[in-house]
Amino acid sequence: GAVVSQHPSRVICKSGTSVKIECRSLDFQATTMFWYRQFPKQSLMLMATSNEGSKATYEQGVEKDKFLINHASLTLSTLTVTSAHPEDSSFYICSARPGGSGGYTFGSGTRLTVV
Amino acid sequence: AQSVTQLDSQVPVFEEAPVELRCNYSSSVSVYLFWYVQYPNQGLQLLLKYLSGSTLVKGINGFEAEFNKSQTSFHLRKPSVHISDTAEYFCAVSDPGNTPLVFGKGTRLSVIA
Repeated sequence: GAVVSQHPSRVICKSGTSVKIECRSLDFQATTMFWYRQFPKQSLMLMATSNEGSKATYEQGVEKDKFLINHASLTLSTLTVTSAHPEDSSFYICSARPGGSGGYTFGSGTRLTVV
Repeated sequence: AQSVTQLDSQVPVFEEAPVELRCNYSSSVSVYLFWYVQYPNQGLQLLLKYLSGSTLVKGINGFEAEFNKSQTSFHLRKPSVHISDTAEYFCAVSDPGNTPLVFGKGTRLSVIA
């Protein structure tokens, strides 16, 4: 089946630094990637939608200058958390919809801890 | 925009008892419905999905759900739960096409020995 590989699975960084999270579609072309954030004991909230070759669409309240999304190829989308702060500590997970309809495939998630 | 309501934030149930986790969605002409399970400190695992066809959907681990269009519901059921079913369960909805999943707030199922 369709697989999205997400790395890193865990990262600890110092406040003020930047962290890049990668999601690769291994056996299909992901023209669109959805990025979610999950705070402890909460649900998954859509942050942004990235489309290959164009600018990402951000949900209301998500700072586009802080969460930089790049989708330069059909198999790679990246999320960079810039100038990270402790409140950015969260579980970040990407998702794609192979074939554009039907089911979704999710990355395994990245647990970011900012100290 | 689609939305999902999970009516119960926590559901405690004794081992081997039946369980129903409730989910209602906002009405739409076409809708796809999903249930996911998340164990502590892990990612999401798909339990089952409704895309079309039979309204009774069977999933993994003995779970099933019924799509009820008139009541805009997609409740998840299991006739006999195990301790290992203790986890967070998310109902999610999407429109057809390349659109994102919208998740409910989740229901914490706690199975008591």
